[in-house]
Amino acid sequence: SAVISQKPSRDICQRGTSLTIQCQVDSQVTMMFWYRQQPGQSLTLIATANQGSEATYESGFVIDKFPISRPNLTFSTLTVSNMSPEDSSIYLCSVQIPLLRDTQYFGPGTRLTVL
Amino acid sequence: QKEVEQNSGPLSVPEGAIASLNCTYSDRGSQSFFWYRQYSGKSPELIMFIYSNGDKEDGRFTAQLNKASQYVSLLIRDSQPSDSATYLCAVKPTGGFKTIFGAGTRLFVKA
Repeated sequence: SAVISQKPSRDICQRGTSLTIQCQVDSQVTMMFWYRQQPGQSLTLIATANQGSEATYESGFVIDKFPISRPNLTFSTLTVSNMSPEDSSIYLCSVQIPLLRDTQYFGPGTRLTVL
Repeated sequence: QKEVEQNSGPLSVPEGAIASLNCTYSDRGSQSFFWYRQYSGKSPELIMFIYSNGDKEDGRFTAQLNKASQYVSLLIRDSQPSDSATYLCAVKPTGGFKTIFGAGTRLFVKA
């Protein structure tokens, strides 16, 4: 398995500001994913982050709004830029473990509220 | 479009009963299948994965896979109120690196 930590665990931000969420894994992984989940809703994949290459964004998500860094095999950041109340959500980091049939493990999440 | 379908529920069962959660998927060549549990306000946690036709048991949980019918299920025996959560079915399709998650089924176990 994998142990994943995220910082911050929660934050309240003002409209128009940006927040960077950090994700740290206890082992080296190739595939990392960033998801968003509204309360009571399903997971929505924002992007896939591979070390050494540009992140791949899903339809409806753009790099200017959600820039991602992946400087090494254990760490990634997601920035939510120029925030609006519609960005209020839980943001989840996830990693894929190939040796476990590509099982994905999730971090504890970051609860973001934008006022 | 590769899809994973689950009944949103809520599924309500009495304490001690068997809860049966079902999932269908569209990609016939999918190889790996996962069940996650998500408590309200928490992140998904892996219950088990299965990749061969048939049953796989882990404690009170049994995953069942039928690739011919493109159907995977999760049985929870002796359901407890602490099992009340949303259960996500996930499928790793062929030819891609992204796992597809269902929308989840809410389970409520009545004491």
